[in-house]
Amino acid sequence: AQRVTQPEKLLSVFKGAPVELKCNYSYSGSPELFWYVQYSRQRLQLLLRHISRESIKGFTADLNKGETSFHLKKPFAQEEDSAMYYCALLGGSEKLVFGKGTKLTVNP
Amino acid sequence: EAGVAQSPRYKIIEKRQSVAFWCNPISGHATLYWYQQILGQGPKLLIQFQNNGVVDDSQLPKDRFSAERLKGVDSTLKIQPAKLEDSAVYLCASSPPTADSGNTIYFGEGSWLTVV
Repeated sequence: AQRVTQPEKLLSVFKGAPVELKCNYSYSGSPELFWYVQYSRQRLQLLLRHISRESIKGFTADLNKGETSFHLKKPFAQEEDSAMYYCALLGGSEKLVFGKGTKLTVNP
Repeated sequence: EAGVAQSPRYKIIEKRQSVAFWCNPISGHATLYWYQQILGQGPKLLIQFQNNGVVDDSQLPKDRFSAERLKGVDSTLKIQPAKLEDSAVYLCASSPPTADSGNTIYFGEGSWLTVV
């Protein structure tokens, strides 16, 4: 079975501080992992995926198979980063399973 | 390109009534998903279609929920009869063939259901 765990429901940081949103997964196969973001009053949208190894809006995420983690990081948080962040795992049959989400608040 | 369209955006019904949601995926997207997102939780997959065939409906409460995707394009999700615990946002999503997207899934704005 595929499972995604985001241990923090809420995360609050000050502008300019580093931020790390944690994600751990459980999956017997080779996982494909994503971070989705939902800004206030907007639709859920893809932020980044591990296979692209890209940095989007200053965010990066590295897949650590040993620790079964895919934490999202940004060195200097901005107020516009405030949103709900969901980690997701794509497993068999292209089934995308989400974690429960972390609400990030960046304070001025 | 146009995004995933859903309607209605908001619906309030009494328990035991029925409701239907409609989804129009992005043109050319073969895979269509319906997710249920209860307040404070992540989206939960209800059903996944590949063209007009069902790939996964293991978490669909089949005694009250049904979904169809006629002609492999638009889809409807129906709840009959509704229960209070069905209050949630129902998200439709679609994705193109894997080779085109690297498995990127695009979401609609959601249909907010309140059962009173």
